[in-house]
Formats: sequence, C-alpha cells, structure tokens
Amino acid sequence: DVVMTQSPLSLPVTLGQSASISCRSSQSLVSSDGNTYLMWLRQRPGQSPRRLIYIVSNRDSGVPDRFSGSGSGTDFTLTLSRVEAEDVGVYYCMQATYWPHTFGQGTILEIK
Amino acid sequence: EVQLVESGGGLVQPGGSLRLSCAASGFVFSSYSMYWVRQAPGKGLVWVSHISADGSVTDYADSVKGRFTISRDNAKNTLFLQLNSLRVEDTAVYYCAKGSDSWGQGTLVTVSS
Repeated sequence: DVVMTQSPLSLPVTLGQSASISCRSSQSLVSSDGNTYLMWLRQRPGQSPRRLIYIVSNRDSGVPDRFSGSGSGTDFTLTLSRVEAEDVGVYYCMQATYWPHTFGQGTILEIK
Repeated sequence: EVQLVESGGGLVQPGGSLRLSCAASGFVFSSYSMYWVRQAPGKGLVWVSHISADGSVTDYADSVKGRFTISRDNAKNTLFLQLNSLRVEDTAVYYCAKGSDSWGQGTLVTVSS
C-alpha cells in the first residue's frame, strides 16, 4: 500500500498568519491517465470529512481561495493563508491513484 | 445537493454481523463508484471497500477481506456493507462516500462483549 506521511502532526497557528502542511507519498502518485490523484480533506470536530482540494491544486466548490495546494510526484503541500478560527480541525491528505486509497495520519490545526 | 445517509450501525458481540445501508440522493447514483471508509474512535480515516458504478467490480482492504461484502441497488439508490465475523478492532464510525467529494454523516459500529 502507498504510505502517506504528513508533517507536522500538530500545527498551532496565530489568527491571520499562514500555515503549511506537508504530505509525502511512498511512491509517485502520477496515474496512467496523467493525473495525480492527491486530495486534501478537513474534518472538523464531530463532523464528517470534507474535501477541500482535488488533483493536487483544484479547490472544491465553496472553498475559500485562502486554501491552495501544490506539489508533484511524491511531495505535496497544503497552504492556508490568513488562518481564521473556522479553519480549526484535522487535515488529511489522501491518494486515490492506487487501491487501496490511503490517507495521511492527519494534522491537527489549532489556534494559538 | 448530494446527500448520503447511513444507517444500520449498533452494538454487536464479537463474531456477530451487521448490515449497513447508505441512501443516496442528489446525483445519478448508478453512474458513480461508491466507497465505505471507517474511523476508529480518536483515530484516522481508513478506506474499507469500493464498488464500481454497475457493481461488477469490488475491492476491499486486507483487514476486512473475506468478512465484509459491499453491494449496491442502483434501482433504489442504496449502497450496502455486510459486516460478518466482526472483531473488536472493527469498532468505528463507518462513512459512505461518493469518491472523495461527498460523505455521509457516518454510522457507529461498536463490537464488544
């Protein structure tokens, strides 16, 4: 199985500051169709996960442009600019290039 | 609006069985692969099973292979997961998902004596 490794696992951030989460995969996530199926999801306390970013850098509908995804191959980054209180939660990267799809361990974003 | 509503969770003894259901609406159910994902208490997310749009292809995580069976009824827009030979370590919230873009609210399965 593809192992997804996130860092940091805990991310205290000051309101209004930027934050970045790294995600590395144990093998390239480039699919045979040329797409890289790397997604970012957030899970707020007591809620279901919600996808924020798909195919590395595409924001889902309703996701603020403060969220951006980047990377290629095996190294990916989620960047939040101007962090707001509503951004609190656990952020997961996940790959859907190979079955079984796999998630990172999760990064807990909290406000300082 | 996509809606996925799971049901069927509950408390079951080790070795027991449960059948989870997921009622889908707001999209053409028969056109999409569907998934089950689980989350043990305080832990991360784990993909459990996948079924193709027409139901002809299924996949399972190694941890549930031979014990869980995914199926779907496209006429009734419903996804199922049959859980057999349940173990304590199967205790989790089970989510139904349409790809990674839409998730249900989850149903809790607790395996305990």
